[in-house]
Amino acid sequence: GQSLEQPSEVTAVEGAIVQINCTYQTSGFYGLSWYQQHDGGAPTFLSYNALDGLEETGRFSSFLSRSDSYGYLLLQELQMKDSASYFCAVRRGNQGGKLIFGQGTELSVKP
Amino acid sequence: DSGVTQTPKHLITATGQRVTLRCSPRSGDLSVYWYQQSLDQGLQFLIQYYNGEERAKGNILERFSAQQFPDLHSELNLSSLELGDSALYFCASGGQPRSGYTFGSGTRLTVV
Repeated sequence: GQSLEQPSEVTAVEGAIVQINCTYQTSGFYGLSWYQQHDGGAPTFLSYNALDGLEETGRFSSFLSRSDSYGYLLLQELQMKDSASYFCAVRRGNQGGKLIFGQGTELSVKP
Repeated sequence: DSGVTQTPKHLITATGQRVTLRCSPRSGDLSVYWYQQSLDQGLQFLIQYYNGEERAKGNILERFSAQQFPDLHSELNLSSLELGDSALYFCASGGQPRSGYTFGSGTRLTVV
């Protein structure tokens, strides 16, 4: 089978740094993705890691360790608009492979 | 506008009924994925189509079915609806690893 675990909620203050962890168990692993979802809106793609290491995109970075079946999303210089749910997702299959999502982490950014 | 169009946005129907949700993928995308999201839950993969053919199946109930048409739009049919089928249903297209899926805005189904 497959499973992903991430914390259900995280709270941080504006301007701070927060890390959302994700551990996974799956077969046929091709990579780890992160998505953001505001209040039942459309999930939007944030990042993708296929290889070990850190990928940086502006204020967001994502890390993967394949040997540990672990990854994290790092959000820096938090803003109020970053309050949302964040999902890690395992990619099964290379081109056009399906994504299996975790249950999501609700991030609350306080002033 | 993400380029993925889902209709209707909201649907309220009674138990036992049948509904059809529609999705038009982003221009140029051949893959369509359907996901179900119940209240405060993650996204559960239902089914994937690629260029008209079923590519992968997830935990899709036998009461649910889908198809992708020659113009690449897809329909998800839900029948014998139960209260527990109330959820957000998302369609996504694309799937290139470094650009991710593009999701539609979803259909909120309420079964009463």
